[in-house]
This record gives sequence, C-alpha cells and structure tokens, in this order.
Amino acid sequence: AQKVTQAQTEISVVEKEDVTLDCVYETRDTTYYLFWYKQPPSGELVFLIRRNSFDEQNEISGRYSWNFQKSTSSFNFTITASQVVDSAVYFCALGDLTGGGNKLTFGTGTQLKVEL
Amino acid sequence: SAVISQKPSRDICQRGTSLTIQCQVDSQVTMMFWYRQQPGQSLTLIATANQGSEATYESGFVIDKFPISRPNLTFSTLTVSNMSPEDSSIYLCSVVDGLEIDTQYFGPGTRLTVL
Repeated sequence: AQKVTQAQTEISVVEKEDVTLDCVYETRDTTYYLFWYKQPPSGELVFLIRRNSFDEQNEISGRYSWNFQKSTSSFNFTITASQVVDSAVYFCALGDLTGGGNKLTFGTGTQLKVEL
Repeated sequence: SAVISQKPSRDICQRGTSLTIQCQVDSQVTMMFWYRQQPGQSLTLIATANQGSEATYESGFVIDKFPISRPNLTFSTLTVSNMSPEDSSIYLCSVVDGLEIDTQYFGPGTRLTVL
C-alpha cells in the first residue's frame, strides 16, 4: 500500500531563515512519481514539482530545492531565505501509475508559518 | 497547464439538501478527478470522472452519495447528496492534460459548510 508521512505538523520560522520540510514515502512499485503541492490560505492547491523514481538528481528552482533519496525513501523540500508569502500548508504526494491510472496519495501536510 | 475553474467557490447548505459543484477546464483533458479535504485534513480521492461512462469510485465513496457526471473532455460535476455536517469540506477537482500525463493540476476548490 502507498503511504506518505509528513511528520512535521507545523513549523514556525522567522523571515529569511531556511526551512526544510520532510517527506517519507512507502511503496512497492519500482516506478512512481513524487510531488510537492502548496496550499495557501485561499485553499487552491498549487503544483510545485514532480520527480520520477528514476531521477535522483536534486533540483533547485529559485529559493526552492528538493532532495530525493531513494535509499531512505525521502523527498525533502527546502525553502531558502523564507518569506511571509511562503506561509501555507505544503503537501507531499506519491503518484501510482500502475494499471494506467494516476492516483495520488497525499501526506497529512506541514503548516509553515513565516513571521516577520 | 490548463486553467481550471470551479463553481460555486463556497456555499452554506442545510442538512438533507444536495449541492452540485461544477469543474470547467479551458482545454480538453484526458483525466479528471474529485477530491475531498475535510477541515484540517489531507486530500482524499473520491472518484475518477470518466468521459461518457460511470465514474470510478474509491473505497468508502458511493455513487448514490456522490454522483458524478463528465459529459465531455472539459467539464465535470460532483453532487453531494443528502448532506450532513460531516460533509463540510473543501471539494477539489483536478485534471491531467495530454502534455503532462503524470501531473495533476487542481482547481481552486469549493468550500462547503453544512449546517
């Protein structure tokens, strides 16, 4: 069964601090995708990144970076020099593509609060 | 990526009534999904909306409670029937388009409160 664990329920930081959001996943599939989504207070879910199971290269996009390690089944997300606009709930998700489907299993989310 | 809209954006309903939520996409998409997010919780997949055929429901969700239609490749509706306060949630539709078959993009959501 697919499972995603985001152990950090809530994180509070002061603006300009770096923060890392943890994500650990479980799957028996050899091919899968991992995602991060951002949900600001307005409620919409914003896609941030997709990573497939064969690509363990870390990725950087502006202040955002992602560290994918299959050996520890982790896909962590770091925000550098955090800003108040980064305040949101962040969800990690695991994509199951078996059988031609496209099912996402979400973690419980991490509430990030960035204060001045 | 596709632009997704949902109507209504929010609603307050009385128990025992039904509400139909619309999801409109600005381009044809291959797959559409409906999710529920209960207060303070994560997202749970309700069903996959199949164009021209019955939706595929996940365990714990049934057609009588959550009938879904998808008459074409750009539109779908989710009805929440015979509502109770436990149905108070955000309901989100998501789509997979032909260009990025492995990524779901989400609509803005519908905030439903049942009194």
